[in-house]
Amino acid sequence: RKEVEQDPGPFNVPEGATVAFNCTYSNSASQSFFWYRQDCRKEPKLLMSVYSSGNEDGRFTAQLNRASQYISLLIRDSKLSDSATYLCVVPQRSGGYQKVTFGIGTKLQVIP
Amino acid sequence: DVKVTQSSRYLVKRTGEKVFLECVQDMDHENMFWYRQDPGLGLRLIYFSYDVKMKEKGDIPEGYSVSREKKERFSLILESASTNQTSMYLCASAARAGGSNEQFFGPGTRLTVL
Repeated sequence: RKEVEQDPGPFNVPEGATVAFNCTYSNSASQSFFWYRQDCRKEPKLLMSVYSSGNEDGRFTAQLNRASQYISLLIRDSKLSDSATYLCVVPQRSGGYQKVTFGIGTKLQVIP
Repeated sequence: DVKVTQSSRYLVKRTGEKVFLECVQDMDHENMFWYRQDPGLGLRLIYFSYDVKMKEKGDIPEGYSVSREKKERFSLILESASTNQTSMYLCASAARAGGSNEQFFGPGTRLTVL
């Protein structure tokens, strides 16, 4: 099983729709997770952190399911500006240091 | 406003050339990272550094080396460029080890090796 797996999409959804992405991980020792957003030809930027209790920021909700080892991102009332690739990020130990592993990303296209 | 800059947006080199990619951050971050991003493979960690003159191998270090002589600067070196190193290279920095802190990325360098 890959360390971090995401459906690459693309997910094509109409404006106003609700869309959800999942990301599965294999390292059960991970304690914190992140969602990054990457616009076309731009660098990734942090969208939100994922806590055990979940996290909500406006139209965006991130949740963690530790038993099934996945995190999710829910976007409500999709806007055209939400079109981007969403990267799941899982921190992992590497020797004595902590690094992160990025998923390949899920591409979202919001259609007028 | 936090900033990570990379020396070039686009670079074209020939096979066998030595290539230097420079990254500078102005946030006084301890940790810096070099990734490459390829379609279908996502972001893969090449090397990271947690302090000046310190470095650790990432997931794909073969064919690369790094240098961190100053806190704000992290250089990626391709000793002898090969066509399979054609990729988008992204530098990032973080205040602490990347697991618990946001990583700030530079705009990327698209390297083509002919």
